Amino acid sequence: GQQLNQSPQSMFIQEGEDVSMNCTSSSIFNTWLWYKQDPGEGPVLLIALYKAGELTSNGRLTAQFGITRKDSFLNISASIPSDVGIYFCAGLGGGTSYGKLTFGQGTILTVHP
Amino acid sequence: NAGVTQTPKFRILKIGQSMTLQCTQDMNHNYMYWYRQDPGMGLKLIYYSVGAGITDKGEVPNGYNVSRSTTEDFPLRLELAAPSQTSVYFCASSYVGRNQPQHFGDGTRLSIL
Repeated sequence: GQQLNQSPQSMFIQEGEDVSMNCTSSSIFNTWLWYKQDPGEGPVLLIALYKAGELTSNGRLTAQFGITRKDSFLNISASIPSDVGIYFCAGLGGGTSYGKLTFGQGTILTVHP
Repeated sequence: NAGVTQTPKFRILKIGQSMTLQCTQDMNHNYMYWYRQDPGMGLKLIYYSVGAGITDKGEVPNGYNVSRSTTEDFPLRLELAAPSQTSVYFCASSYVGRNQPQHFGDGTRLSIL
C-alpha cells in the first residue's frame, strides 16, 4: 500500500526559529494536506495543496506540493510556543484509493520560550 | 458550528465486551471515515463511507463493524473488545470530490483491560 515517510520525527527549537519538515512517498498523490494535532484533540487542517508545484501560505506557515507529486514540505517561520504539537502530512490519492488519506508518522514539535 | 462530534470521549472496556462509538457531523458531508491512532503513530483507516447505505473497509478493519443509515451518523462498533484495540479513535468527514480535505472530531480514547 501507499506509505508516507515524514521527517524529522521530532524537533526541539527555540522560540523565534524557523522550522522545516517534509514528507516523501513512493506513490503519486493528487492532494497533499498538512494537519496539526494538539494533545487530546483531533487533527486540524492547516494547509491543503492541490497542484504539483503549488506553494501556499497560511500566516506563518508555508507548504509546497512537490513537482513529482511524491513529496511536500511545511515551513513554519518565527516559531512561537503555541506552535507546539504534532504535525502530520497526508496524501489523497486517486484510482482505487479514491478519497482515502494516507498519513505520515508525524513530527513532534517542541518550542522552548 | 459543531462540525464532527464524537461520543464518548473516554471509555474503559473489559476484554470481550462490546460497544459503539458514535460519530455525527452537521456539515452535510457525504464522506465519513473512522481512524485509529496508536501512541506515537499516524492515523490508520478502519472503515469509510461514501454515502448513506455504502461502507467499505480501510487498512485495519478486523474486529470492527460500521453502518451508515443517515448522512449525519457513522457509528463504529466493536463486537468483542480485545487489548489490541486500545487506541484513540477519530471520526472524520469530507465533501464529495476527489481532493476534498477531511475534518476530524476530537477523538474517543478507548482502553481495553
